[in-house]
Amino acid sequence: EDKVVQSPLSLVVHEGDTVTLNCSYEVTNFRSLLWYKQEKKAPTFLFMLTSSGIEKKSGRLSSILDKKELFSILNITATQTGDSAVYLCAGGSGGSNYKLTFGKGTLLTVNP
Amino acid sequence: DAGVIQSPRHEVTEMGQEVTLRCKPISGHNSLFWYRQTMMRGLELLIYFNNNVPIDDSGMPEDRFSAKMPNASFSTLKIQPSEPRDSAVYFCASSRGQEPSPLHFGNGTRLTVT
Repeated sequence: EDKVVQSPLSLVVHEGDTVTLNCSYEVTNFRSLLWYKQEKKAPTFLFMLTSSGIEKKSGRLSSILDKKELFSILNITATQTGDSAVYLCAGGSGGSNYKLTFGKGTLLTVNP
Repeated sequence: DAGVIQSPRHEVTEMGQEVTLRCKPISGHNSLFWYRQTMMRGLELLIYFNNNVPIDDSGMPEDRFSAKMPNASFSTLKIQPSEPRDSAVYFCASSRGQEPSPLHFGNGTRLTVT
């Protein structure tokens, strides 16, 4: 059974801090690692990583994948209160039938 | 693009009643997924379709749950009879189906069974 584990489960920081969120995975026929941000409603897509060692970056957010260690991290620098959310990691698997298995998420709270 | 559209947004029903959740995927997407989210278990995949055909329903909790996709623009998830433990947020998501590709989620249906 595919498994994705995220840590920490929750994190409280002050504005301006840098945070690192962790994701480990055991996914059969692994194809990709995805990060989502979930506020009140639907998860919204952040990054998709398919190759080891190549950092993806969007503003203050960045992520990298290690396919040897089956691990990914999501970094957020200079955090803002608007970054408060649940961050979800998902492993993408399958050949012609592609699906995502999600971790339980990390709840990030950024205090002013 | 309108995004994935789910209805209703909220559903409150009594135990034993039938519940039907609806989803319209993004036009042009040929994969559709139903997920359930709870605090305890997170986001769980219930069933997914490729080109309207169910591929894997191993996540469906029991026979009380069923899902259909009669055409490329509509899917339903039905619970009959409903039980209090079915209370959760149910998300529908769609993707182009070409691996790897991100899933795009609807805003979910919050189901409460009393």
